[in-house]
Amino acid sequence: GENVEQHPSTLSVQEGDSAVIKCTYSDSASNYFPWYKQELGKRPQLIIDIRSNVGEKKDQRIAVTLNKTAKHFSLHITETQPEDSAVYFCAASFTGGGNKLTFGTGTQLKVEL
Amino acid sequence: DTAVSQTPKYLVTQMGNDKSIKCEQNLGHDTMYWYKQDSKKFLKIMFSYNNKELIINETVPNRFSPKSPDKAHLNLHINSLELGDSAVYFCASSQSGDGTDTQYFGPGTRLTVL
Repeated sequence: GENVEQHPSTLSVQEGDSAVIKCTYSDSASNYFPWYKQELGKRPQLIIDIRSNVGEKKDQRIAVTLNKTAKHFSLHITETQPEDSAVYFCAASFTGGGNKLTFGTGTQLKVEL
Repeated sequence: DTAVSQTPKYLVTQMGNDKSIKCEQNLGHDTMYWYKQDSKKFLKIMFSYNNKELIINETVPNRFSPKSPDKAHLNLHINSLELGDSAVYFCASSQSGDGTDTQYFGPGTRLTVL
């Protein structure tokens, strides 16, 4: 089955700096890669996703890149703000797989003033 | 206008008891899921239903039994609760089960087994 590894497990940045979280996946059939943000005590919420026919996608301060050959995908947050502090999860799934999302282990991002 | 709702939000119970968690979505989605998030925040799928039909059943003890009375509802019944069942259980839904649909999560149910 699919295995998703995520690094780092914790990340501390100064407000205004950029943050990068990296994930690797094992199943070459995976073609959908969402990123979820989970604030303390809250539900995971989708912040951005990318499909395998695209190499990069941006939404304001957030971007995701995908390298299918290397089976890597990354989340980039620019101009970080305190409200970006949360746990971020990457995930992977594939068409026809019953929409089974395999999640990474999460990255606790802390944005310090 | 809550999209995916769960009840109860908190559940504290003794070992050996039987309990149920309910989930409802008003998004008109065809597919619903149960996830377990353990104390280390790891999120793992347990079950998914598409139009009331079970399509994903991960390696979960058979003390856990999902039931979908209709495509807007997915309940989780747990028999003979054990300490290790303590976790946050999230329900989620998506438009279809084709593998690339956004999944929307409920607020979670924090289960504590004493």
